[in-house]
Amino acid sequence: KNQVEQSPQSLIILEGKNCTLQCNYTVSPFSNLRWYKQDTGRGPVSLTIMTFSENTKSNGRYTATLDADTKQSSLHITASQLSDSASYICVVPRSNYQLIWGAGTKLIIKP
Amino acid sequence: EAQVTQNPRYLITVTGKKLTVTCSQNMNHEYMSWYRQDPGLGLRQIYYSMNVEVTDKGDVPEGYKVSRKEKRNFPLILESPSPNQTSLYFCASSLTTSNQPQHFGDGTRLSIL
Repeated sequence: KNQVEQSPQSLIILEGKNCTLQCNYTVSPFSNLRWYKQDTGRGPVSLTIMTFSENTKSNGRYTATLDADTKQSSLHITASQLSDSASYICVVPRSNYQLIWGAGTKLIIKP
Repeated sequence: EAQVTQNPRYLITVTGKKLTVTCSQNMNHEYMSWYRQDPGLGLRQIYYSMNVEVTDKGDVPEGYKVSRKEKRNFPLILESPSPNQTSLYFCASSLTTSNQPQHFGDGTRLSIL
């Protein structure tokens, strides 16, 4: 069964600290994996897309990794800021027109 | 400004009263999609459209209709809303979905009493 599972469900860290969010997928065949950020009450916004051949990709303080062999991805946030408080969602395409969305990790940054 | 616009943002209505949620994008995207988001669950796709007059069911199409008469618009229609359709709805668009990010509207929160 095609699935995307994320952990932890929620995470609270202090401002300035680093954190890592995990995503495991069982979607096959695999083409790419995306990370989205969703602020409360807003639509998701794309952070990064990783293809099969990419191991690491950075977008500012966000660094995504992909291990296609173990079917795992992580999103590392460096020097967290209050504006990083959001849900982070891992997404894997099931076809050209359909995506499988993880349930997300809710991240809360405390001052 | 490139954007996806949904209306209304909030709606409280009663069971059985037909409603339409509009979605419009100004990026000339071919692909558009509707999702619903419920607590503790990932986004679930309702319907999608690959181009004008081409639509297909997603994972949870029951109770919904869509149309794509123009490239920019993709309305979601609830012919006879029921309480289990109370949810947060998002419209999205992209050039394609294989390696292009989707652009989302700000959501429509529907409450069906």
